[in-house]
Amino acid sequence: DQQVKQNSPSLSVQEGRISILNCDYTNSMFDYFLWYKKYPAEGPTFLISISSIKDKNEDGRFTVFLNKSAKHLSLHIVPSQPGDSAVYFCAATTSGTYKYIFGTGTRLKVLA
Amino acid sequence: NAGVTQTPKFQVLKTGQSMTLQCAQDMNHNSMYWYRQDPGMGLRLIYYSASEGTTDKGEVPNGYNVSRLNKREFSLRLESAAPSQTSVYFCASSEQGSYNEQFFGPGTRLTVL
Repeated sequence: DQQVKQNSPSLSVQEGRISILNCDYTNSMFDYFLWYKKYPAEGPTFLISISSIKDKNEDGRFTVFLNKSAKHLSLHIVPSQPGDSAVYFCAATTSGTYKYIFGTGTRLKVLA
Repeated sequence: NAGVTQTPKFQVLKTGQSMTLQCAQDMNHNSMYWYRQDPGMGLRLIYYSASEGTTDKGEVPNGYNVSRLNKREFSLRLESAAPSQTSVYFCASSEQGSYNEQFFGPGTRLTVL
C-alpha cells in the first residue's frame, strides 16, 4: 500500500521554465511534508518542507503547495536550471511517529 | 564536519553471509535511521532510533538488526544475507522531535549473490 505516490517517474523541462513535481498521499494523519533532492551516487538532501497548517511555503526558487482536501502537494521550481537535474522525493510524516514515508521519486531533467 | 558517514561504500556478499553496515554522525543529533532504496520503490525505512538507547522497527525490518552503539553511531546488521537484500542502504540522522529534516549519508551499495 503506497501511502505516498509520485506518479510521474520522469519530467523534462527547458532551462528557465517552470518545473512542477507532484505528490499524492492517502493517509490523512500526515501533518508534515518534505521534499528531498538526490544526485547519483549521493544521499538525498533536504530541499523544502511544509506543515499541514499551511498551504504554501517558499524558499528562493522553490515553492511547495499543499492541498489537504485533495491530499496533494506540488513542488514548483522557477526558473529551472540545469543543476536542478536530479531525482526528487517527497516524504510525509505524522507528528511524534519518527516514521517518514517516501514516494518513489521523479527524475527531473532540465535541458539547456 | 563530515555530517553522516557510512562504511563500506560497496559490498558484495554471498547468500547466507553476514555483515554490518556502519553509520556515524557528528552533528550531535539524537535520532538516526536506516533506509533502503530499490528501483521503483523509493526509500523505505528499515529501523530507526529516536534517541540513544532506543530502537524501533520501520516498514521493512525483517532480516535486519540494529544497534545504537552511542549517540554518534547506528549500525545495521544482516545476519544471513539474501538476494532480496540487494539494495542501496542509506543512513540518516536528525534532531529529535517531529518536523525535522533528515541528513543522509552517501549510501552503501550492497549486492547479494
